[in-house]
Amino acid sequence: EIQLQESGPGLVKPSQSLSLTCSVTGYTITSGYDWSWIRKFPGNKMEWMGYISYSGSTNYNPSLKSRISITRDTSKNQFFLQLNSVTTEDTATYYCARLGVYYGLGYWGQGVMVTVSS
Amino acid sequence: DTVLTQSPALAVSPGERVTISCKASESVSTRMHWYQQKPGQQPKLLIYKASNLASGVPARFSGSGSGTDFTLTIDPVEADDTATYFCQQSWNGPYTFGAGTKLELK
Repeated sequence: EIQLQESGPGLVKPSQSLSLTCSVTGYTITSGYDWSWIRKFPGNKMEWMGYISYSGSTNYNPSLKSRISITRDTSKNQFFLQLNSVTTEDTATYYCARLGVYYGLGYWGQGVMVTVSS
Repeated sequence: DTVLTQSPALAVSPGERVTISCKASESVSTRMHWYQQKPGQQPKLLIYKASNLASGVPARFSGSGSGTDFTLTIDPVEADDTATYFCQQSWNGPYTFGAGTKLELK
């Protein structure tokens, strides 16, 4: 069974960096698909942030391009999100998910709520 | 960005048929997917590529459409279907989501 699990701090100070880890079990992230980060803001709006592909290439939402980095550790079957210079507007629930462009976001982590506050 | 506009909140009675719409601001071919999200849970894929039922999803759910107009149908609706339903496109970058349609049971 494929499972994804996010981890990371639930509270980040403004201007600092937000760093999250997605641990994947049941599937090797280098075998296929695009490994994505999505966030859901208070009030329900969902935003696709970007992905790292099975080959290691990245694709980011242009609205975040200057602040976001998605990397991976293939030895641990994990991928990571770093979002720099956060503000209170980055307060959201962050999800990692497996994306197939033809098949949608078929597997999701349970999400981690991150609050940006001093 | 491709804007996805969803129908507003709906309230239906169990046993009825409900359609939830999603209109794209530009063509997304058939790269439209539907998700169900219940409070406190992660989204769950229901329909991929407009009309394909995801694994394990009851046949009460179906999807249709292409280009800019898409529909998710639940027939018949059950009490457990109370949730928010999102559409999402993966044709134009950046991938985008609809604002969600909250389905309530009477």
